[in-house]
Amino acid sequence: QAGLTQPPSVSKGLRQTATLTCTGNSNIVGNQGAAWLQQHQGHPPKLLSYRNNNRPSGISERFSASRSGNTASLTITGLQPEDEADYYCSAWDSSLSVWVFGGGTKLTVL
Amino acid sequence: QVQLQQWGAGLLKPSETLSLTCAVYGGSFSGYYWSWIRQPPGKGLEWIGEINHSGSTNYNPSLKSRVTISVDTSKNQFSLKLSSVTAADTAVYYCARTRMFVWLHEGMDVWGKGTTVTVSS
Repeated sequence: QAGLTQPPSVSKGLRQTATLTCTGNSNIVGNQGAAWLQQHQGHPPKLLSYRNNNRPSGISERFSASRSGNTASLTITGLQPEDEADYYCSAWDSSLSVWVFGGGTKLTVL
Repeated sequence: QVQLQQWGAGLLKPSETLSLTCAVYGGSFSGYYWSWIRQPPGKGLEWIGEINHSGSTNYNPSLKSRVTISVDTSKNQFSLKLSSVTAADTAVYYCARTRMFVWLHEGMDVWGKGTTVTVSS
């Protein structure tokens, strides 16, 4: 089963912009895109975007997602201390009928 | 607002069967898929499987031989059973709703609070 590859960690300064990446194969990311989740320590994940750049109600416009080929990206602008968290991408593999998660990226806001 | 409330045994011995249930409150049960996901201590998320209101299931191939997910539409609940557990099954287990667009699985938009399951002799 193919996986999704995310960098383990990203560090950026306060009020800067962070771009997190998620690379998969054409069956998943390249097909219908990825969903992005944010998880703070000790809490369940929270959906930030789905099907590339659709935000659920209540999610800040500072979070935007995109896709280029087999790589999905999450861009967070104007970084705030509360953005420090783990970020996971996920995608549905329609050929195998399974959800696949990336390994997660720990975002540190300096 | 939809809420998921989950419960089940938190401490198991090796070879026992893990059993968790998730109840859906405040929203429709049909039109979605309902998933179980787990997270071992200090590690990432692993999808276990999903079910819809009519009982159609999909499972992670790596766990499929030990997993059963079932649904009780009369109670708006779905359940997970994982047999023959070992220490490697120690994790926080979450239930979650998958929003759908026609047949497209879009993302898991509602999550339970998680249940910590420890497998130890």
